[in-house]
Amino acid sequence: GQQLNQSPQSMFIQEGEDVSMNCTSSSIFNTWLWYKQDPGEGPVLLIALYKAGELTSNGRLTAQFGITRKDSFLNISASIPSDVGIYFCAGHLSGSARQLTFGSGTQLTVLP
Amino acid sequence: NAGVTQTPKFRVLKTGQSMTLLCAQDMNHEYMYWYRQDPGMGLRLIHYSVGEGTTAKGEVPDGYNVSRLKKQNFLLGLESAAPSQTSVYFCASSYGATATYEQYFGPGTRLTVT
Repeated sequence: GQQLNQSPQSMFIQEGEDVSMNCTSSSIFNTWLWYKQDPGEGPVLLIALYKAGELTSNGRLTAQFGITRKDSFLNISASIPSDVGIYFCAGHLSGSARQLTFGSGTQLTVLP
Repeated sequence: NAGVTQTPKFRVLKTGQSMTLLCAQDMNHEYMYWYRQDPGMGLRLIHYSVGEGTTAKGEVPDGYNVSRLKKQNFLLGLESAAPSQTSVYFCASSYGATATYEQYFGPGTRLTVT
């Protein structure tokens, strides 16, 4: 199946620092979604992007739909302890019905 | 609204046993999905449904069956469980409108097959 390369796999940061993570693919996507998963819970939708070049914020989170439509970025500003979790990107390929392709996740740890 | 709910939350099966996982959503969504999540593998689609009475295979359908008899419910069955089916199973749902691909997930079912 299609692959989404998500990096980094894990991050250890100090509280208050900014965080960046990204997803790339060799395929063109028409939608990018970012989810967060807390331990023992299901993924929760953070941001949805539908246009190339689109920049969308949700509080301290900002995500961008890459111009080439092959990548997306998520930034978290001024991290806090509750940002800990796994962040997943997901993309929708044209012609793939309703199916999403998921990245393998970025595990974020925030140190006090 | 409860959103997407899943039962049970945990289950331990012996090899060869069968079980059914239940997913329910109260958002009147057309589409429903079953995923499995394994360490380092992200989420992989097992089966999905585009409406009541319809189902389709996803990326990893072998060993699973599904049914969507009511719009709000999506059942995942394991007829003869195998240790390779030890995983966390998530159900999700989404609207049927075009150009809207956001999926909303349940809390998961943690299944261990011994």
